[in-house]
Amino acid sequence: EPEVTQTPSHQVTQMGQEVILRCVPISNHLYFYWYRQILGQKVEFLVSFYNNEISEKSEIFDDQFSVERPDGSNFTLKIRSTKLEDSAMYFCASSEQVTEAFFGQGTRLTVV
Amino acid sequence: GQQVMQIPQYQHVQEGEDFTTYCNSSTTLSNIQWYKQRPGGHPVFLIQLVKSGEVKKQKRLTFQFGEAKKNSSLHITATQTTDVGTYFCAGQSWASGTYKYIFGTGTRLKVLA
Repeated sequence: EPEVTQTPSHQVTQMGQEVILRCVPISNHLYFYWYRQILGQKVEFLVSFYNNEISEKSEIFDDQFSVERPDGSNFTLKIRSTKLEDSAMYFCASSEQVTEAFFGQGTRLTVV
Repeated sequence: GQQVMQIPQYQHVQEGEDFTTYCNSSTTLSNIQWYKQRPGGHPVFLIQLVKSGEVKKQKRLTFQFGEAKKNSSLHITATQTTDVGTYFCAGQSWASGTYKYIFGTGTRLKVLA
């Protein structure tokens, strides 16, 4: 069964460093998303991406964040100058239409 | 902005008991989805409801979408230990000029054997 894959599964970074979280969406999907989940809290929408551009972003998704689809398969989330409060589980998701989203296993980001 | 609340926040039930979680949106929704997240896992899509008053069933799970399309519920009959996890609703509201899904606060279910 096709699935969304994310790497790495766990990333530890020093405060102030930049991290890149990687995702490979399901191949025939057109819509891509990043969500964040701080431990024990709800899933928060960060950004959606369609047709090689951001279609929507939340207030969380400020200049510290950027997304890219560098080739035909990868979808990345870059977080610049990480802060302690960026520590969370980051989920990538993809969908064929703007409907059912398939989530990856997530990347646990720990900023120390 | 649009808010989606769920109650209860936590629920402990004995295996075999029923369970219901309720989802309420501050705005009228175009559609609503339900996801289940096992401890340490990722959200897994369960179902999508689109029509006012819609009711869908999946085995022991019954999903309802309110007539006003501002609330929804998930009911599990005769819970099993495999039902453990957090259940999230996620609402989409095109009238707000957005296609993003806003996730609810989640209901964490524990089932005691």
